[in-house]
Amino acid sequence: AQKVTQAQTEISVVEKEDVTLDCVYETRDTTYYLFWYKQPPSGELVFLIRRNSFDEQNEISGRYSWNFQKSTSSFNFTITASQVVDSAVYFCALNDTGANSKLTFGKGITLSVRP
Amino acid sequence: DADVTQTPRNRITKTGKRIMLECSQTKGHDRMYWYRQDPGLGLRLIYYSFDVKDINKGEISDGYSVSRQAQAKFSLSLESAIPNQTALYFCATSERQVNYGYTFGSGTRLTVV
Repeated sequence: AQKVTQAQTEISVVEKEDVTLDCVYETRDTTYYLFWYKQPPSGELVFLIRRNSFDEQNEISGRYSWNFQKSTSSFNFTITASQVVDSAVYFCALNDTGANSKLTFGKGITLSVRP
Repeated sequence: DADVTQTPRNRITKTGKRIMLECSQTKGHDRMYWYRQDPGLGLRLIYYSFDVKDINKGEISDGYSVSRQAQAKFSLSLESAIPNQTALYFCATSERQVNYGYTFGSGTRLTVV
């Protein structure tokens, strides 16, 4: 069975601080996909990134960066110079590629960025 | 129009009532899913369907049923709503090759009083 653990439940930072959201996953599959989603106060789910298990390159998109390490089964998300608009719930999710593949979510991290 | 449309967006219902949440998609995806979100618990899978004739239970299917009326439509029913089914419900779709990712609806906020 697959599992995603987001050990941090709530994080509060002051604007312009950097913040890292941790994600640890478990799967028996060798091929899988990892995702991060953002859920702002409005409630919709906003897709941020998808990474396959064969691509361990870190990715940077503006103030966002992701660090994927298969050796530690982690896919951490860093926001540089946080802004108030980054306040949201962030979910990490895992999808294997078997016949009955499904998306499994972590419990989410509530990030509050204070002015 | 949204790729995945959920109706209603918000609903308040009474304990014991039957309620249906509807989901329709224009993505042409075979696979559809219903998730439930509770604070601090993340999104948990209720039911999923890989095609019109294939319906499967997720991790929290008790108290729910679904119907896949067509490739584009996947409805979730609460036969007799109870207060602990108060939650935010999401419908999602995906292609068979999940590396293309998932498309989520905007969610239905259900309150059972």
